[in-house]
Amino acid sequence: GNSVTQMEGPVTLSEEAFLTINCTYTATGYPSLFWYVQYPGEGLQLLLKATKADDKGSNKGFEATYRKETTSFHLEKGSVQVSDSAVYFCALSMYSGGGADGLTFGKGTHLIIQP
Amino acid sequence: DVKVTQSSRYLVKRTGEKVFLECVQDMDHENMFWYRQDPGLGLRLIYFSYDVKMKEKGDIPEGYSVSREKKERFSLILESASTNQTSMYLCASSLSRTGRGYTFGSGTRLTVV
Repeated sequence: GNSVTQMEGPVTLSEEAFLTINCTYTATGYPSLFWYVQYPGEGLQLLLKATKADDKGSNKGFEATYRKETTSFHLEKGSVQVSDSAVYFCALSMYSGGGADGLTFGKGTHLIIQP
Repeated sequence: DVKVTQSSRYLVKRTGEKVFLECVQDMDHENMFWYRQDPGLGLRLIYFSYDVKMKEKGDIPEGYSVSREKKERFSLILESASTNQTSMYLCASSLSRTGRGYTFGSGTRLTVV
């Protein structure tokens, strides 16, 4: 079956540090890939997405590139802020023509940014 | 903006009670989903529905059922609540079933005592 593996947290960084959160996937076929963010007390929000190999998704200074050869979709940001503190989820979905079965999520990475 | 509204933010129920979690979306989306979120396990799909009166089992449907009588409303039912169903429950809706443009509700934190 499909699965997503992302690095364990919590990840603690200082403000303005460089961020990488690793995500790798296993899927039969060619999934679409997503990063969702969950701020404290809220639901999940779509952060960025990529639907085919070599696509780069970007939003709010975050980027991730769909790497088919390494089955990866690592999240990066050049300079993090305290307001980026949240839980980040990598996810994939498949579409087989008959319809998809929702998103498959990784376990989430809790990011803590210290001033 | 699409809104997905979950009726309760926090719920406390007793073991054996029948529990209803309600979810309403206001953008005429075809697809609706129920997930539970647990520390160290991420989000797991319980049930989803791609049309009125249609439902499909997700990865962990045991102990749950769902109801979709109207397009905008998707209810999750715990027939006989147990302590291992204590969790955060998240509802989502989307136009597409491929995950593009999912909108999530704020979640219901259910505690079963």
